Amino acid sequence: DSGVTQTPKHLITATGQRVTLRCSPRSGDLSVYWYQQSLDQGLQFLIQYYNGEERAKGNILERFSAQQFPDLHSELNLSSLELGDSALYFCASSVGMAPVAYEQYFGPGTRLTVT
Amino acid sequence: AQSVTQLDSHVSVSEGTPVLLRCNYSSSYSPSLFWYVQHPNKGLQLLLKYTSAATLVKGINGFEAEFKKSETSFHLTKPSAHMSDAAEYFCVVSVDAGGTSYGKLTFGQGTILTVHP
Repeated sequence: DSGVTQTPKHLITATGQRVTLRCSPRSGDLSVYWYQQSLDQGLQFLIQYYNGEERAKGNILERFSAQQFPDLHSELNLSSLELGDSALYFCASSVGMAPVAYEQYFGPGTRLTVT
Repeated sequence: AQSVTQLDSHVSVSEGTPVLLRCNYSSSYSPSLFWYVQHPNKGLQLLLKYTSAATLVKGINGFEAEFKKSETSFHLTKPSAHMSDAAEYFCVVSVDAGGTSYGKLTFGQGTILTVHP
């Protein structure tokens, strides 16, 4: 158990809908990362927050947004959902800001199915 | 730009035999390289990382990897496979451009390791 929790574990929704994925980092970790894992795109970095502020952006669509709250939990919002958004969404956390210097601990993921 | 190529999508070995998972990378700067493992229905776990120190890196569970700049490779090995090693393995590159350690992680497509009794 990495100490990172993600809810819900599974989510099934229809095209055009909006969903929110939640992540609680390990105790003491200030960075939260979001990743998308799909069969055709593989594992892709989406976005990173550090202590409430956005630090880095990857291949995140404009329909997606995220935030990190004062208690350090993070939410990933996905809107106007399309079939291609079906994927496993991982959250990871680390104690520091730099992805290279600090080990990232991954949560178990949220499996999103868009029908 | 940085990229990573895992040369085998599937590798199958017998228990007790050596494991070799191949990874080549491409980057404009000195890279940091990682191997992560993902067991079924689990999140990713860091096996080992290379960040410009010793070129032979030892990780958890008996795995090790060697950074070879001339070959732009970072292959993962283990002398003797165990049934519990069956999982998907990801090679990851991050470029520390400017020495800030802020490089983003770029993942390979993954190699599924099957271990036969």
